[in-house]
Amino acid sequence: EPEVTQTPSHQVTQMGQEVILRCVPISNHLYFYWYRQILGQKVEFLVSFYNNEISEKSEIFDDQFSVERPDGSNFTLKIRSTKLEDSAMYFCATNRFLGELFFGEGSRLTVL
Amino acid sequence: DQQVKQNSPSLSVQEGRISILNCDYTNSMFDYFLWYKKYPAEGPTFLISISSIKDKNEDGRFTVFLNKSAKHLSLHIVPSQPGDSAVYFCAASATVAGNTGKLIFGQGTTLQVKP
Repeated sequence: EPEVTQTPSHQVTQMGQEVILRCVPISNHLYFYWYRQILGQKVEFLVSFYNNEISEKSEIFDDQFSVERPDGSNFTLKIRSTKLEDSAMYFCATNRFLGELFFGEGSRLTVL
Repeated sequence: DQQVKQNSPSLSVQEGRISILNCDYTNSMFDYFLWYKKYPAEGPTFLISISSIKDKNEDGRFTVFLNKSAKHLSLHIVPSQPGDSAVYFCAASATVAGNTGKLIFGQGTTLQVKP
């Protein structure tokens, strides 16, 4: 069964460092998303991406965050200068048409 | 901004009995609802969905009921099995023009099914 693949599974970084989280969507999926879940809290929408551009972003997705799909396969989330409060599980999700999302296993980010 | 609420953080049921998980929403623009199941250290897995044109959708042991007037939906699992023990998230979407497919999630309910 096709699945969304995320790397790394866990990253530990120092505050202020840049982090790039990577996602390989299910082939033929057209819509891409990043969500995050801070420990013990709800899964929160960060950004949606379609046709090589951001279609919607949340208040959380400030100038420190960016997304791109540089090579037509990987879908990346970059955090330029990490803060302690960025520590969370980051989930990539994709779908072919609007509706149910298929989530990856997540990347755990720990900012020290 | 809690547009989707799951007011019960946890639920414990006996194996073989029915599990009922509840979800309320406030945004009347929501017209598509989903339930996801999540195990620790894994991503959410889609379980079942329902469109607002229906009031019930069934898939095996899982049934979702939608009450639009009350802005309430519920997930019934019967019979419950120990392998159903997980966190269950309710999610909602507004499939209107300009929709980006964003899902709004509730806080989750941890279901424990005891053997």
